[in-house]
Amino acid sequence: KAGVTQTPRYLIKTRGQQVTLSCSPISGHRSVSWYQQTPGQGLQFLFEYFSETQRNKGNFPGRFSGRQFSNSRSEMNVSTLELGDSALYLCASSLPARTTGRIQSLVNYGYTFGSGTRLTVV
Amino acid sequence: QQQVKQSPQSLIVQKGGISIINCAYENTAFDYFPWYQQFPGKGPALLIAIRPDVSEKKEGRFTISFNKSAKQFSLHIMDSQPGDSATYFCAASVTSGTYKYIFGTGTRLKVLA
Repeated sequence: KAGVTQTPRYLIKTRGQQVTLSCSPISGHRSVSWYQQTPGQGLQFLFEYFSETQRNKGNFPGRFSGRQFSNSRSEMNVSTLELGDSALYLCASSLPARTTGRIQSLVNYGYTFGSGTRLTVV
Repeated sequence: QQQVKQSPQSLIVQKGGISIINCAYENTAFDYFPWYQQFPGKGPALLIAIRPDVSEKKEGRFTISFNKSAKQFSLHIMDSQPGDSATYFCAASVTSGTYKYIFGTGTRLKVLA
């Protein structure tokens, strides 16, 4: 079974540019989350998408945005890049195993992470 | 209150020894505590996870010990091997419709041959 696929693996951009990163989750996984990993801040939550809807958002500026398509594939976009945006961007997919009544309660089986996109802003 | 504090930052263990990594949390709403292992150039991989209704979970050489009253949990790696050399992250999550993990800052483990 294919894992989480992130493209591209490496990217070098100039300050002020924008970038789009792509993530294909494991087949059947409908929840996709994005994390930023840096040596200083560790793993920081960006946002989570489920059924094409953003369900949760971390404390990042509006320059960071994302979306999810009907096939669960997700993209994240960073506009007006800054040097501090240099990081490993990780996508994680997960499988909601159970819904409870009218409220979707996601049973947490744990993320499967991709290998990430290493973004360098110069 | 959303933080997960992880220690030590780095750890060196002899082959065959026991590696112990500790994490502490404040938010009592957390109800899922996974540990992730990350090798250079790779994304984190789920190692083992526990819910607060049990005090210990063991999978092979990896054991999570959970102390709900102290709001602490730890990862024990028995018979540590050089192949275990990696960065380990603890995390905590609330499983109520949101998929947001709070990660610890990571522990870089080196197992000497």
